[in-house]
Amino acid sequence: DVKVTQSSRYLVKRTGEKVFLECVQDMDHENMFWYRQDPGLGLRLIYFSYDVKMKEKGDIPEGYSVSREKKERFSLILESASTNQTSMYLCASNHPDSGETQYFGPGTRLLVL
Amino acid sequence: DAKTTQPPSMDCAEGRAANLPCNHSTISGNEYVYWYRQIHSQGPQYIIHGLKNNETNEMASLIITEDRKSSTLILPHATLRDTAVYYCIVRVASTSYGKLTFGQGTILTVHP
Repeated sequence: DVKVTQSSRYLVKRTGEKVFLECVQDMDHENMFWYRQDPGLGLRLIYFSYDVKMKEKGDIPEGYSVSREKKERFSLILESASTNQTSMYLCASNHPDSGETQYFGPGTRLLVL
Repeated sequence: DAKTTQPPSMDCAEGRAANLPCNHSTISGNEYVYWYRQIHSQGPQYIIHGLKNNETNEMASLIITEDRKSSTLILPHATLRDTAVYYCIVRVASTSYGKLTFGQGTILTVHP
């Protein structure tokens, strides 16, 4: 079974803090994705990575950065957390040949106070 | 990407088949139908996908009409754990990196 894990299920941070969200997958997938999900706005892509050290901006990259130093790990960084970044953050991965079949982690619910 | 239309909510009795419809009347010839679900407070879960033939796996069956303008996801024996939001997506299956966009989906509630 594909397993995608995220470092925290729930996180509370203060405005201005630097926040790290970690994602690890164990299926040797080349592609990894970070989304956020908000009520009424659905799923929105923040960044994705198609290989180690490679990254591409998604639809809403502002205020975020990412790091992919190892194939299995994709980190999302909030450089200076703001209240509008309160959201559910979802990591996903897939193999390039698997079309739109993506495997998701359990999500991290982040609250920025 | 083709637009999809799903009913906002459905109910099903435990042990019965749940049939979730999806309309995608503007689907193109190279677009696949994908189904995901999301149980409350969890990440989305891939269920099944198909192009034009019916498909079955350990989770569900996917029936696509001959004109491909609609499809039905079938959970043959629904359980309480199948209560979730079900998303129907139509996408060209790319061999590069694609982003997923979910619509409103169908809230399926399975009752004892």
